[in-house]
Amino acid sequence: SQKIEQNSEALNIQEGKTATLTCNYTNYSPAYLQWYRQDPGRGPVFLLLIRENEKEKRKERLKVTFDTTLKQSLFHITASQPADSATYLCALVLYSGGGADGLTFGKGTHLIIQP
Amino acid sequence: KAGVTQTPRYLIKTRGQQVTLSCSPISGHRSVSWYQQTPGQGLQFLFEYFSETQRNKGNFPGRFSGRQFSNSRSEMNVSTLELGDSALYLCASSLWSQETQYFGPGTRLLVL
Repeated sequence: SQKIEQNSEALNIQEGKTATLTCNYTNYSPAYLQWYRQDPGRGPVFLLLIRENEKEKRKERLKVTFDTTLKQSLFHITASQPADSATYLCALVLYSGGGADGLTFGKGTHLIIQP
Repeated sequence: KAGVTQTPRYLIKTRGQQVTLSCSPISGHRSVSWYQQTPGQGLQFLFEYFSETQRNKGNFPGRFSGRQFSNSRSEMNVSTLELGDSALYLCASSLWSQETQYFGPGTRLLVL
């Protein structure tokens, strides 16, 4: 079955280092991939969108790569800060024979930046 | 612009009851999607409405239904509540279908 996999274990990173989160997917043919941030008790907040014909996208300290051959996206936070601690979700839009399906989210990776 | 609003924020119901949740999208957004979030299953897509029509539906039983009004506001209904329906229900709006989602704060439903 089609699925999205993110590292379900918490990722502990020392402040100032680069945090790298992984999103792997199977059997999808996504047109684009999105990354969201979610804080406890709140709804997810959109961060970045990368299209299938883009290799890399940047926004301030954030960088996303998209490798459709490996079926993988990497999400980087450089110069990480404790305020970056949150759960990060990747999401794909599925396109099947019947057209676009719902936006499918991974279960997220809990990132902890330690001072 | 005001963000996505959801009411109520918290709700306690008992098994067998039914519940209606409300969502007001960002002004100008025509697509509203609903998601269920639980610790075990993560964020799962329920359905999406665009211009009052259901465009996509996730893998949930028929007890879960929704609708969208002409002003793009949306409601979600769950009938015959089960304990497993306890979750955070999130609504998200976007300009067009499947575009970047702007989420509301969610409604936390507890079924006893």
